[in-house]
Amino acid sequence: DAGITQSPRYKITETGRQVTLMCHQTWSHSYMFWYRQDLGHGLRLIYYSAAADITDKGEVPDGYVVSRSKTENFPLTLESATRSQTSVYFCASGTDTQYFGPGTRLTVL
Amino acid sequence: AQSVSQHNHHVILSEAASLELGCNYSYGGTVNLFWYVQYPGQHLQLLLKYFSGDPLVKGIKGFEAEFIKSKFSFNLRKPSVQWSDTAEYFCAVMTTDSWGKFQFGAGTQVVVTP
Repeated sequence: DAGITQSPRYKITETGRQVTLMCHQTWSHSYMFWYRQDLGHGLRLIYYSAAADITDKGEVPDGYVVSRSKTENFPLTLESATRSQTSVYFCASGTDTQYFGPGTRLTVL
Repeated sequence: AQSVSQHNHHVILSEAASLELGCNYSYGGTVNLFWYVQYPGQHLQLLLKYFSGDPLVKGIKGFEAEFIKSKFSFNLRKPSVQWSDTAEYFCAVMTTDSWGKFQFGAGTQVVVTP
């Protein structure tokens, strides 16, 4: 079944470690997005990409790195994880409408 | 700066009651408007969207929304809710200035009691 997938679905890591969250879509959407969802803050945009090799910062980009070498993949890397990055991370793709992946629940100890 | 306001953070109602969730945005130009639903433990799913044309939009699961341009509003309605409508509802706006990027409201948690 085509769509948008995220991996891993759950991740526990320790402070200071590097973590990469994967996002893959099969629709060939040009735009892809990373959000984090935290209680009291709703959805906040971390980074987005308008096409392969084109990325831009969102509202809360500090501590995160993205790349997009292929249209279908948009990995998000936490270079040195901190406890404040404990959150649920959603990837989305689309052009005039965004379609969301199932999310990754990340816990940083 | 553009913003999206959802008036109610938390709504509790009984089954068969009518639901209306408010959404207002601040942007003077052309907008595309969306409502998403997030069931407990799940991801956001599109309920309905408005791009142009008839300002009354019908979506999935019996939801509808009305775009009132003069009021910068896009309120979500359902005539008779069910327990399964318990979820968080998000309004989102995409402007022509920021094609592809959405501005989300803070969300409204809806609890439907049996």
